Amino acid sequence: DGGITQSPKYLFRKEGQNVTLSCEQNLNHDAMYWYRQDPGQGLRLIYYSQIVNDFQKGDIAEGYSVSREKKESFPLTVTSAQKNPTAFYLCASSMGGASYNEQFFGPGTRLTVL
Amino acid sequence: GQQVMQIPQYQHVQEGEDFTTYCNSSTTLSNIQWYKQRPGGHPVFLIQLVKSGEVKKQKRLTFQFGEAKKNSSLHITATQTTDVGTYFCAGPPNFGNEKLTFGTGTRLTIIP
Repeated sequence: DGGITQSPKYLFRKEGQNVTLSCEQNLNHDAMYWYRQDPGQGLRLIYYSQIVNDFQKGDIAEGYSVSREKKESFPLTVTSAQKNPTAFYLCASSMGGASYNEQFFGPGTRLTVL
Repeated sequence: GQQVMQIPQYQHVQEGEDFTTYCNSSTTLSNIQWYKQRPGGHPVFLIQLVKSGEVKKQKRLTFQFGEAKKNSSLHITATQTTDVGTYFCAGPPNFGNEKLTFGTGTRLTIIP
């Protein structure tokens, strides 16, 4: 089955701890994205990557970090510097740039920081 | 920066009634995409519009792209319970930009 996997579905962490969310795709897509969704709101872009070993900040990158060492993987670390990390995190990928290519989304990880 | 607004934010309709959501961008778009997110789910791509004034149909769904390429609409005829969810439009902030700005979304609920 081709697609995007995110794990875990639910994640609980204590305040002050860093946490890494995984995102894996076997669609052979070049581009990958991380979004944050808060209740009743739209998607806000955290980071995106067009190619391996390269990534760019999105609109709300502060308090987050990413790596893109492999084409299939784009993990997101939520650091203790992120002031309000509790949210639904969605990973997506597309064949090429987002402008003219549909994005395929993973099932998401719901992070709760206690 | 670019802003993409959608109205209404919420819409409750009786099953069988029509539904329309409107998307307005503060900048001209090279193209616009529409996504649907079911409750508790993730966004799923519906369609992309590229040409000024373009109209596309998918069964009961009709999508339009404005002549000025700054607005778009999604119209659902005779809604069904399967149409429940949040509908998002999304477009690149600048021509050639490789990221999307998502709209605020319209949440549709159906009264059986």
